[in-house]
Amino acid sequence: SQQGEEDPQALSIQEGENATMNCSYKTSINNLQWYRQNSGRGLVHLILIRSNEREKHSGRLRVTLDTSKKSSSLLITASRAADTASYFCATAGGFKTIFGAGTRLFVKA
Amino acid sequence: NAGVTQTPKFRVLKTGQSMTLLCAQDMNHEYMYWYRQDPGMGLRLIHYSVGEGTTAKGEVPDGYNVSRLKKQNFLLGLESAAPSQTSVYFCASSPDSPASSYNEQFFGPGTRLTVL
Repeated sequence: SQQGEEDPQALSIQEGENATMNCSYKTSINNLQWYRQNSGRGLVHLILIRSNEREKHSGRLRVTLDTSKKSSSLLITASRAADTASYFCATAGGFKTIFGAGTRLFVKA
Repeated sequence: NAGVTQTPKFRVLKTGQSMTLLCAQDMNHEYMYWYRQDPGMGLRLIHYSVGEGTTAKGEVPDGYNVSRLKKQNFLLGLESAAPSQTSVYFCASSPDSPASSYNEQFFGPGTRLTVL
């Protein structure tokens, strides 16, 4: 069973707009991570937020975590065509990291 | 550094055949993982290893076996391939356990396996 579930499943925006993706999970976690996957490639780590953190920034990325609602969001500001990819949240606890089904983002130039 | 490499990149098997997928990492990571990715689903953990000589079952271990004889290598074996094992297989490694704040996983490029 999947731990994290992303919403929406797919998102299409214009270059320059912001993109927001959400992740919900079911059990307690140590940390939550976001990964990007370009078509036909492996996943690339974007950012990690610990369970005692509420917000984290990295370049054009902003991640929030609400442990009371068991949810996280990833905001990509000023999107670019190169941001077109699938984005996955991954929840970590114990020895396992569990990935959601992903959000497919398409940024139109 | 090559990071995480996987061989082969593509493979077609007939039902009942066996094969081994090789994963190698040059980052001296303790933890290694095998995942499968199917359309519309996230990655599902098949097996993982917390160090040389250790292996453990993940979410979907049936039909697969693994070995970690050397720290840098993690092998995934299919003893008798079935069409349900058609998937893209990813190997990953991390320096620390998922419980830590340093458990960023580094992924290989994947192996696309088709079982006819």
